[in-house]
Amino acid sequence: GESVGLHLPTLSVQEGDNSIINCAYSNSASDYFIWYKQESGKGPQFIIDIRSNMDKRQGQRVTVLLNKTVKHLSLQIAATQPGDSAVYFCAENLNSGYSTLTFGKGTMLLVSP
Amino acid sequence: ETGVTQSPTHLIKTRGQQVTLRCSSQSGHNTVSWYQQALGQGPQFIFQYYREEENGRGNFPPRFSGLQFPNYSSELNVNALELDDSALYLCASSFEDQPQHFGDGTRLSIL
Repeated sequence: GESVGLHLPTLSVQEGDNSIINCAYSNSASDYFIWYKQESGKGPQFIIDIRSNMDKRQGQRVTVLLNKTVKHLSLQIAATQPGDSAVYFCAENLNSGYSTLTFGKGTMLLVSP
Repeated sequence: ETGVTQSPTHLIKTRGQQVTLRCSSQSGHNTVSWYQQALGQGPQFIFQYYREEENGRGNFPPRFSGLQFPNYSSELNVNALELDDSALYLCASSFEDQPQHFGDGTRLSIL
């Protein structure tokens, strides 16, 4: 089966709320994780990344948390805006000598004004 | 800084035909990866090119092949097209261990 999966296929929030998107991964050898945002008709857009030697990383309005003990990754979006509506993918990279990404199925985030 | 660009944006082919998709990498990037994204799914890794050589391959048959050129641009070729090849084909470029950045893809439809 897939080594990266998401718990919630669709997440609906109100504008201004904080959003949390979760992701489980199964390969303990993965050393690098990335969150991407994909809007309709577009390619995945890099949001934030984290390496396995960290457990938290913050960007502008976004925070990624990594829990290696339970193989769990989350993306927190503060003060969610309608423009944040998109499909969010987590991707993991195996340290296999070359960098490739394994994606999960994605979570649709819907933000209501 | 120019991002990743792909051409064409849309393409319609029939079963058995061959197709070539093109990708220009982001400035400063030397690695190109290709992904197939079926509707409602996450992208699936096809293969990666680094310094004009295939650097890794996913679970795709040999009729999927590629090239990378000295300017780091790349092509994806698919022979003997099948209906299941209908998908969005994404190119991503990167430099060393930095994040991969994606183009907006080529939507391929097989009739």
